[in-house]
This record gives sequence, structure tokens and C-alpha cells, in this order.
Amino acid sequence: TQLLEQSPQFLSIQEGENLTVYCNSSSVFSSLQWYRQEPGEGPVLLVTVVTGGEVKKLKRLTFQFGDARKDSSLHITAAQPGDTGLYLCAGVGGATNKLIFGTGTLLAVQP
Amino acid sequence: EAQVTQNPRYLITVTGKKLTVTCSQNMNHEYMSWYRQDPGLGLRQIYYSMNVEVTDKGDVPEGYKVSRKEKRNFPLILESPSPNQTSLYFCASSIGTSGSPLHFGNGTRLTVT
Repeated sequence: TQLLEQSPQFLSIQEGENLTVYCNSSSVFSSLQWYRQEPGEGPVLLVTVVTGGEVKKLKRLTFQFGDARKDSSLHITAAQPGDTGLYLCAGVGGATNKLIFGTGTLLAVQP
Repeated sequence: EAQVTQNPRYLITVTGKKLTVTCSQNMNHEYMSWYRQDPGLGLRQIYYSMNVEVTDKGDVPEGYKVSRKEKRNFPLILESPSPNQTSLYFCASSIGTSGSPLHFGNGTRLTVT
């Protein structure tokens, strides 16, 4: 069974700080997606990374796919209260191209 | 507006009383899926459908049924709900295969007493 572990599980920081969230697996994924889920809503896709070593930027968010396509990271620069939410990574892999969700990182940015 | 609509948003019921959670998407997506989200366990797939009249079990299908008679609708049926089915449920759809990025509904919080 493919597993995606995210760390840290919880993160509470002050506005303006930088942070990195990690998504790790022992399995190889063909692609990896990052979602953000705000309270009372469903997850919303932020980005998809496909190529090993790929880096994508979305304003203050930087996403990286590991060279071996087994891990990924999300770096947020100068976090703002609007970044608060549950961040989920999801890898596509296996014979059925199934989407496997990570355990999630709950981020709280204090003003 | 492109969206996945679930109803109801909140539901409190008693053990054994059959219920249906509806899900509808207006994006003409082939693929639809149901997930449950529980603290510490993340999102777990219940059932999915690759197309009309084609459904298959996910990781946690026990106690649930689904149907896909039309492309836009994918209801989740609990024939005899039990307290361990208390959870936050999400319906999702995607344009392509099971690995394509998902569009999620806003969730249904179900409590079974």
C-alpha cells in the first residue's frame, strides 16, 4: 500500500514567517498534487507537479517535486492569515493511477 | 459557475435509518468519487465511478452504496447507518481518469447517533 506522510502535522506561526511542509513516500509517483482546504469547504487544487526536480511557483508558494518523484515540499514565504488551512498532498501512482492523499498539515497563521 | 454540489451540508440521524447524500456536478466530468475525512486518517476513498453505470469500490466501501445513472449525479447511500460512519463526506469529480486533479464539493457533515 502506498502511503504519503506529511510533516509537520500541525504548524502555528506568526504572520510574516516562512515555512515548509513536507510530503514523503517510499513509493514513486507519476505526478503529485497539492490542495488547500479551508474550514467548512472542500479541498481546492493549488498545483500539479509532474517531472522529477520540478519547481513551480504560485505567488508566495513554491512547490518542488523530488528528483526521484517520491517526495515533495511546499514552501510559503511571508505567510499571511489567509494562508491558514489544511494542506494536502496527493500522489498519483500504482497500476491503476490511483490518487493517494497524504495525512495533511494544518497551518494556522496568526496576525 | 463550475461546481460540485452536495446536499445536505449537515445531517444528524439515528442508527439504522437509511439516508442518501446527493452529489451533482455541472462540468460534464466523466469521473466522480466519494471520500470520507476523519481526524488523523486523512481522506479515504469510499467509491468511485469512471462513467455512467460504472462504479467501483474504493478503500473503505463497507456500509455504503452508490449509483451513477446519469453523468452529473452520483448519490451516496447509507442503507443502515452506524455511529462509525459519523464523518465529513466529500464528493469530487474530474475530467479525466482516476489520477486527474479533483474538484470537490463543500462537504456533508454526518452524525449518526
